[in-house]
Amino acid sequence: GNSVTQMEGPVTLSEEAFLTINCTYTATGYPSLFWYVQYPGEGLQLLLKATKADDKGSNKGFEATYRKETTSFHLEKGSVQVSDSAVYFCALSSTGNQFYFGTGTSLTVIP
Amino acid sequence: DVKVTQSSRYLVKRTGEKVFLECVQDMDHENMFWYRQDPGLGLRLIYFSYDVKMKEKGDIPEGYSVSREKKERFSLILESASTNQTSMYLCASSDRPNQPQHFGDGTRLSIL
Repeated sequence: GNSVTQMEGPVTLSEEAFLTINCTYTATGYPSLFWYVQYPGEGLQLLLKATKADDKGSNKGFEATYRKETTSFHLEKGSVQVSDSAVYFCALSSTGNQFYFGTGTSLTVIP
Repeated sequence: DVKVTQSSRYLVKRTGEKVFLECVQDMDHENMFWYRQDPGLGLRLIYFSYDVKMKEKGDIPEGYSVSREKKERFSLILESASTNQTSMYLCASSDRPNQPQHFGDGTRLSIL
């Protein structure tokens, strides 16, 4: 079946630190992979996506590379800001209309 | 930009009431979804719809029903609300399989 496993939080970093949030997946077929971000009191917003192996998605300084050999899609950012504090969700979409979400990783960035 | 609008940000209802949560999208998307979000459990799919009057059960449909009479509107119905349905409810839409889902801001529902 399809599933997503992402690292447990919460994660607390100082401003300008390097961020990695791990995400691995299990899927049938050839999934598309996504990272979503949820700011306090809001719904989820698409952060980046990748649709095939070795694709790199990027947005707002965040990056993630679709690694088929390790079934991973880790989120990275070189220098986090206080405004990056949010909950991050990894997700996949395989055959059909459904998405499969990880449980979310809460990030707090302190000045 | 896609706009997904949920009718209420906060809602308080009583046990046993019939509760309606409304969601409207403005991009003519085929697919619409209802999730609930609970701490430590992430997002769980309740129902989705891929066309008007069509619906499919998700992972946790028990205690819920849905209605899609028009393409832009997808309603979630709690037939007889119970305290374990207190949660954040998120609506989403997408235009094709494997395309990003676009989310509303959520409805935080409390059942007393």
